[in-house]
Amino acid sequence: DAGITQSPRHKVTETGTPVTLRCHQTENHRYMYWYRQDPGHGLRLIHYSYGVKDTDKGEVSDGYSVSRSKTEDFLLTLESATSSQTSVYFCAISEPGFSQPQHFGDGTRLSIL
Amino acid sequence: RKEVEQDPGPFNVPEGATVAFNCTYSNSASQSFFWYRQDCRKEPKLLMSVYSSGNEDGRFTAQLNRASQYISLLIRDSKLSDSATYLCVVNSGANNLFFGTGTRLTVIP
Repeated sequence: DAGITQSPRHKVTETGTPVTLRCHQTENHRYMYWYRQDPGHGLRLIHYSYGVKDTDKGEVSDGYSVSRSKTEDFLLTLESATSSQTSVYFCAISEPGFSQPQHFGDGTRLSIL
Repeated sequence: RKEVEQDPGPFNVPEGATVAFNCTYSNSASQSFFWYRQDCRKEPKLLMSVYSSGNEDGRFTAQLNRASQYISLLIRDSKLSDSATYLCVVNSGANNLFFGTGTRLTVIP
């Protein structure tokens, strides 16, 4: 299995609070991604990073920010969590190139009450 | 129109059966294709990449039809352990993967 660790694995918090999810990789892959998975939707890309301090928006980036200060860490922040952000969040990594598959972490289950 | 569409199922098949899933994609410029497997409350795991010439990995065969813009996954001699949700994934460029919502398979003893 790819060396990807997400933390925390589960979190319950209240609307309006800030939340930060962490993804840590030991594979030295250049690309890192944050997705959310909701019933009735496929995984949807929130943000991705193509190098240290290089990030870009995905399909559902509103309400989320990211940072990547080291190759191995990619942080996802919800500045002011809303109930619509209750979801399962997955981090993924890959090497560059169209044919390169992505490998996923175990996921974080986030509930916003 | 969604980028990737799959029949959600569920497909309930007996052990030993052969089952096939199809998936259609909307972007004709899509570059690469994958099947992932996702068990309940787990992360997606790569099952296989799909190549233009088709490819096989044991009991699993993947096919790509660019003219009709669909990919397929065939599972032969189904095992109980094959029960999972199968995700069709399409790369439309710039490391941007689009995921289908998945097809759920249950293999029955």
